[in-house]
Order: sequence, then structure tokens, then C-alpha cells
Amino acid sequence: DAGVIQSPRHEVTEMGQEVTLRCKPISGHNSLFWYRQTMMRGLELLIYFNNNVPIDDSGMPEDRFSAKMPNASFSTLKIQPSEPRDSAVYFCASRSDRAYNEQFFGPGTRLTVL
Amino acid sequence: AQSVTQLDSQVPVFEEAPVELRCNYSSSVSVYLFWYVQYPNQGLQLLLKYLSGSTLVESINGFEAEFNKSQTSFHLRKPSVHISDTAEYFCAVSDPRTGGYQKVTFGIGTKLQVIP
Repeated sequence: DAGVIQSPRHEVTEMGQEVTLRCKPISGHNSLFWYRQTMMRGLELLIYFNNNVPIDDSGMPEDRFSAKMPNASFSTLKIQPSEPRDSAVYFCASRSDRAYNEQFFGPGTRLTVL
Repeated sequence: AQSVTQLDSQVPVFEEAPVELRCNYSSSVSVYLFWYVQYPNQGLQLLLKYLSGSTLVESINGFEAEFNKSQTSFHLRKPSVHISDTAEYFCAVSDPRTGGYQKVTFGIGTKLQVIP
């Protein structure tokens, strides 16, 4: 298995632009997580999906952030409009509910908003 | 609510020396505990985990951690570090009572720098 796939790996954009981050979880995994990592705040859970349904979005910072999971093999995290304080590394992770104690992380997307 | 405290943000250590990375957690119930490792420009990988049973758990690359309920700690140790151990290490906790949804709370991370 290729593991969790994220794209793009790096994104540089200007303030006010829309940014879309993409994630393909490991095949057969039915839980998906979006995290944000910064030096100041560490690793923060943004949203959690189970069987394509958002279960916990309490970590989504504000309405500029939205996430979707239209099917079991694809999820997006969108920021519109983006701001410089959104600059961070965004990780997607997936997990099988049969082995629910381990999350498998993607390589991350490094977002820079100028 | 559960929380994790990693007391050291950076730990420099000479190659072949022992190391301990400290982790304390706060939870009113029983917990699952994890250590994840993040190598430069990569995602996190599970290093080891405590779910139940023996309080001493080991990884395949020589790390071990001991669950101490009375001290609410889960410190990570290695008797002799290698250059390749240079990475950031995250302690994490989850509440097994939440059933299918097990929110994992991560610590802020400890950067281990192995000096040749």
C-alpha cells in the first residue's frame, strides 16, 4: 500500500486566495483526520471523519476552513480566504476501526500564505 | 478532558549515550498512551503504545516506555542512541471509553538531537 497520500506537498499562496489540500487515505481505512502543526501550537486536530461523515469538527478554527469527504478514498480541506496565520504544515491521517489504536499519517502539506 | 505535557522541547545527547524523553498525562480515567516519531519532512509514525497489560512496552528499534499510573507518566527511554534517532517525538493519549471515536491528544513534541 502506498500509505496516506497528500497533495500538494508544498503550497505558496497570497493572502485572500483559496487553498485546497487533498488527501487519499489508506484503502480500507474508515476514519480520517486532518491536523495542523505549527511551532507555537504543536499538532492540533482540526476535524475527524468516520465512514465519510464528519464526527468532530470542534477543532476547525473558523468558518474560513471547511472539509469534505465525498467518498472513502478522498478528502479535501479548503481555506477561503487564506490568511498569513494559516501558514503551517497540514497532515492527513487515516485509521482502521479494526485496529483503532494507530493512526497512519501522510507526509503533510506545507502551506505558506504571504 | 485529557492532556499531555512534554516537559522538554529539545534534548541534545551524544551518540551512544542514554536518553529519556519525559511525558506526563492528565486524565480522570484509564488511558491509552502512545509515542509517535516524526523524522524531518515526514509525517508521524507510531513508535510504541500502551493499551493494557505489561506496563513496559518496547519498540523494534530499541526504545522502551513504562506506564506509571501513580505518577501519570509514560517516559520514553533508549540506553544508547544513534544518529538516526534524531527526530521529533510526540507523546499522545486517548480515552478508551469513547469507543469508536478515540480522540488522540498529542503533546507539543520533544526534538531529540543526537550529536556525533
